[in-house]
This record gives sequence, C-alpha cells and structure tokens, in this order.
Amino acid sequence: DAGVIQSPRHEVTEMGQEVTLRCKPISGHNSLFWYRQTMMRGLELLIYFNNNVPIDDSGMPEDRFSAKMPNASFSTLKIQPSEPRDSAVYFCASSYRGAKIYNEQFFGPGTRLTVL
Amino acid sequence: GIQVEQSPPDLILQEGANSTLRCNFSDSVNNLQWFHQNPWGQLINLFYIPSGTKQNGRLSATTVATERYSLLYISSSQTTDSGVYFCAVVARNAGNMLTFGGGTRLMVKP
Repeated sequence: DAGVIQSPRHEVTEMGQEVTLRCKPISGHNSLFWYRQTMMRGLELLIYFNNNVPIDDSGMPEDRFSAKMPNASFSTLKIQPSEPRDSAVYFCASSYRGAKIYNEQFFGPGTRLTVL
Repeated sequence: GIQVEQSPPDLILQEGANSTLRCNFSDSVNNLQWFHQNPWGQLINLFYIPSGTKQNGRLSATTVATERYSLLYISSSQTTDSGVYFCAVVARNAGNMLTFGGGTRLMVKP
C-alpha cells in the first residue's frame, strides 16, 4: 500500500495568493482528516470527513479555509487568500471507521507551507 | 474538550539507556495512539493501544484506560530513536477525532 499521499510536499507563496493542498487517502479507508502543526499550537484537527461528508469543521480557523472531498480517493484543502500566519505543516490522515470501531489513523508526509 | 498531557517535555539519553514516557488524559477514550515524529517531520505510527499492553521490538506500550494514562517504554535506545513522541486520543463522544498531547522531545546521544 502506498500510504496516504499528499502534494505538494513544499509550497512557498506570497500573501494573498490562493493555495491548494491535495490528499489521497489509503484505499479502503472511509475517514479523512486534515491537521495543522505549528510551534505555537502543536498538532490540531482542522476538519474531518466520513464517507466523503464533512462531519466536523470546528477546527477550521476562518472562512479563508475550505475543504472538499469530491470522492473517496481525493480531498483538497484550500486557503484563499493566504496570510503569513497560515505558515505551518499540514497533514492529511485516513482511517477506516465502522460502527463503534475506531481504527488507527495513518498520516501522510505533510505539506510544509510558507506564506511570505 | 479532553486534555492530553505528556511528560517529560524533554529527555536526553545516552545511547543504550532505557526510558519511560507518560501520557495522561482527562476523560474516557475510544482510541489511543503513539507516534514518533522523526527529524524529517514524518509521523510514524508506533502503537494503536486503547487498552492493554503491546510490544514491538525495543518499544512497548501500556494503557490503563480506567486510570486514564498510557506509558511508552523505550529500551536500549539508539540515536535513530531521537525525535518527538506524541500521544493522541479519540475521546468518547468525539467522533473519530484525534486530540494530541504536546509531545516528548527525545535526544539520544551516541
């Protein structure tokens, strides 16, 4: 299995530009998560999907952030417009969620975003 | 929400030494995972251990769910064990969301 795939691995952009991060979960997994890691706040959940439906987006910082999962094998996290404080490592993770089954989550390699 | 506290925050070991990392959580959990974040930033799964004891080579973990803590044991440490160790939990009634502790930063010196 290829594991969770994220692209790009590194992104450098200027303030005000649109940024799109991409994620392909592990085949067969039905839950997908977007996390952000910063020095100040550590690892925090932004949003998660179950069966392609957003379940909890309470961690999304503000309206500049949006996430979609058009099908079971692809998700995007978009920031528009980007700001320097959005600089962080963004991780995507996936797992299989059954009824009363909480399986382990597997993380992608992350996208390191720098907004100048 | 649930609180996850890890200790110690920093740890320096000589190669070959043993260590114990602790994770305390403030509420009942459905899931608990230990991760190692290596110097390149990758999050590597170590254990999925909502309860009980597991071992994998030089590493082992124990979770006592009724007392709300988990321990990660590293024996005969190697320089490649350096990095940050995270404990993360899924709280009851919290869907499938992982809440991370602050991590233990480990440095193993040759």
